[in-house]
Amino acid sequence: DARVTQTPRHKVTEMGQEVTMRCQPILGHNTVFWYRQTMMQGLELLAYFRNRAPLDDSGMPKDRFSAEMPDATLATLKIQPSEPRDSAVYFCASGLGQGLSPLHFGNGTRLTVT
Amino acid sequence: AQTVTQSQPEMSVQEAETVTLSCTYDTSESDYYLFWYKQPPSRQMILVIRQEAYKQQNATENRFSVNFQKAAKSFSLKISDSQLGDAAMYFCAYRRGRGGSEKLVFGKGTKLTVNP
Repeated sequence: DARVTQTPRHKVTEMGQEVTMRCQPILGHNTVFWYRQTMMQGLELLAYFRNRAPLDDSGMPKDRFSAEMPDATLATLKIQPSEPRDSAVYFCASGLGQGLSPLHFGNGTRLTVT
Repeated sequence: AQTVTQSQPEMSVQEAETVTLSCTYDTSESDYYLFWYKQPPSRQMILVIRQEAYKQQNATENRFSVNFQKAAKSFSLKISDSQLGDAAMYFCAYRRGRGGSEKLVFGKGTKLTVNP
């Protein structure tokens, strides 16, 4: 079974440090999404790409977060500088686009900022 | 903006019994898609079932079925013959129709406990 691969699975860092999360979408999928999951807010969309072009990053704090797709096999989410309120699980998902085509999720990165 | 509401933060069911999880959504569109995802303690998000708004027939996948009430904007999930492995967080999600964004908008989830 093809899977979305996310690294790292866990990350503990100190406030002020840069954090980079990586995602390898399923080969052939043309959309890639970054979601953040917290107890209070649930699953929030941070950013998404179609054919590697960023389409919506309205959910992302622009001053410290950035999302890129340097190529079709890699998506990155960076936080610089990190803050304790960024502690959450970050999911990458990929899909084939619209309609009933589902999103396929990676296993997430649990980020803890102390 | 579309919103998805899951009014039951937690539910419990006895093994082999049936449970229904509620989901309502707010939209002015007539063309859209609805999904239920399951998230067990492993954290993996797993697709359970999906429904197209234009189809009146309720979707079913083995022990999982939905009750889709378009006029009421309701999309509840029924789990029959509950098993211990069904214990998880369940998320309802909405996607706009053709020509709209491919993103999924999620509810805040319902935690399901299955008692032996």
